[in-house]
Amino acid sequence: RKEVEQDPGPFNVPEGATVAFNCTYSNSASQSFFWYRQDCRKEPKLLMSVYSSGNEDGRFTAQLNRASQYISLLIRDSKLSDSATYLCVVNTNAGKSTFGDGTTLTVKP
Amino acid sequence: GAGVSQSPSNKVTEKGKDVELRCDPISGHTALYWYRQSLGQGLEFLIYFQGNSAPDKSGLPSDRFSAERTGGSVSTLTIQRTQQEDSAVYLCASSPPPPGQTQYFGPGTRLLVL
Repeated sequence: RKEVEQDPGPFNVPEGATVAFNCTYSNSASQSFFWYRQDCRKEPKLLMSVYSSGNEDGRFTAQLNRASQYISLLIRDSKLSDSATYLCVVNTNAGKSTFGDGTTLTVKP
Repeated sequence: GAGVSQSPSNKVTEKGKDVELRCDPISGHTALYWYRQSLGQGLEFLIYFQGNSAPDKSGLPSDRFSAERTGGSVSTLTIQRTQQEDSAVYLCASSPPPPGQTQYFGPGTRLLVL
């Protein structure tokens, strides 16, 4: 079993749709959590950090459930430009970082 | 400010040759990571440097792979006797202290072993 698991998708949604991605992690010592976005043939870039209380950045909402070892990302009012692969990242407090394999999103007109 | 830079951006080599890939992290970042990404696949962790601590080499796939970080800054990933299965994008990332912070990625080196 992988340390960080994501549904690979692909998710194909129309513009304006709401889509949710889930991620589970197995290391209970994990301390910090992130969502990254990776466009085709580009490097990953930080989308947002994930805080225990949940956090929102515009159309994006991230949530963390430490008891269930589960992270989610919600995208509202999807745009064509949201099409990308979304990577869940889990770090220990020693800085060891584990990436999920990513969930691919395609937003269609 | 300057981001993470990597060189070369592309490298084509013949099977059996050695290659060196370079990463210049963001100034002041104490952590440096190397990952490998094959086409259509996720990121594969290779090695992690944190300050002056011994590196975490647990992701290196074989003893043909090695990395060093000189003076706590620039890092070089060396692949000896390259094989075709080494073909991938090699990504470097750095992050500021304390450990566990956001990683900033370089553009990667695309390695093709013929």
